[in-house]
This record gives sequence, structure tokens and C-alpha cells, in this order.
Amino acid sequence: DAGVIQSPRHEVTEMGQEVTLRCKPISGHDYLFWYRQTMMRGLELLIYFNNNVPIDDSGMPEDRFSAKMPNASFSTLKIQPSEPRDSAVYFCASNPGLRGETQYFGPGTRLLVL
Amino acid sequence: GESVGLHLPTLSVQEGDNSIINCAYSNSASDYFIWYKQESGKGPQFIIDIRSNMDKRQGQRVTVLLNKTVKHLSLQIAATQPGDSAVYFCAESGNNRLAFGKGNQVVVIP
Repeated sequence: DAGVIQSPRHEVTEMGQEVTLRCKPISGHDYLFWYRQTMMRGLELLIYFNNNVPIDDSGMPEDRFSAKMPNASFSTLKIQPSEPRDSAVYFCASNPGLRGETQYFGPGTRLLVL
Repeated sequence: GESVGLHLPTLSVQEGDNSIINCAYSNSASDYFIWYKQESGKGPQFIIDIRSNMDKRQGQRVTVLLNKTVKHLSLQIAATQPGDSAVYFCAESGNNRLAFGKGNQVVVIP
């Protein structure tokens, strides 16, 4: 299995631009999670999906952030418009079927907003 | 580039020595615990887990100890190697929700 796949691995953009991060979970995993990691806040859960349905988006910072999961093998996290404080590493993780069990992380997308 | 570990507690260990990383958790209802390892530029990787009905579990060169009385979790790494240099996170699961700690950086000195 290829594991969780994320793209792009690195993204540099200017303030105000739209950013789209992509994730392909491990095949057969029912749960998908989006995290943000910074030095100041550590690893923060933004949103998670179960069977493609968003369950808890309480961690999404504000309306500039949105996430979708159109099918079981693809999810996007979009930031529009982006701001310098959004600079972080964004991780996608998936999990076979239990919300509180082990999550398998992708390599992350390192985002820098200038 | 950005480093996860710049402001984290750091443990410096001589190669070949044993490492002990500690974690305090907050939710007494947590019943499942996981240790993750995160190397620079990579995502967290599962190392070992333990359920609350156990107080010790061993893997390859790693041992996790759970003390529910004081809500304390530790990870022991035997014969630490340079490849063990990373940030280590504990995670607790309670009420069907996984919560991550801040992390501890381990630096192995050759």
C-alpha cells in the first residue's frame, strides 16, 4: 500500500491567493483527518470525515478554510484567501474504521504564504 | 526550514544508551494510547500503542509503560540509534477522540 498521499509537498504563495491541498487516503479507510502543525500550536485537528461526510469541522480556523471529500479516495483542503499566518505544515491522515484508533499520516504539505 | 522541535523539550542521548520519553495525559476516561515518531520533514509515524487494561507493552527496542493512577505514559527506547533522532508525540484516545501531546525532541549524539 502506498500510504496516505498528499500533494503538493511544498507550496509557496502570496497573500490573498487561493491554495488547494490534496489528499488520497489509504484505500479502505473510512476516516480522513486534516491537521495543521506549527511550532506554536503543535498538531491541531482541523476537520475529519467519515465515509466522505464531514463530521466535525470545529477546528477549522475560519471561513477562509473549507474542505471537501467528493469520494472515498480524494479530499481537498482549500484556503481562500490565504494569509501569512496560515503558513504551516498541513497533514492528512486516515484510519480504517474507528474514530479514536491509530491514524496513518501522509508526508504533509509545507505551506508558506508570503 | 521550519522545525517542529525548536521549542520542544529536548532529550539528548548518547548513542547506545536507553532513552525514556515521558508524557502526562489529562483525560481519565482515555482508554487507548499511542506513541508517534516524527522525523524532520515527514509526517508522524505510528510506533506502538497500549490499551488501558495493560500497564506495559513491548515492541522492537521500544517499551510503553502506562500508569493510570497518575495519568502518565512513557516510551523507552533501548540502545538508541542515530535514526531514533526525531520528535516523539503521545496521543490519548477517549470518548472516541484522539488528542495529541506537544511532543518531545530526542537528539542522539554519535
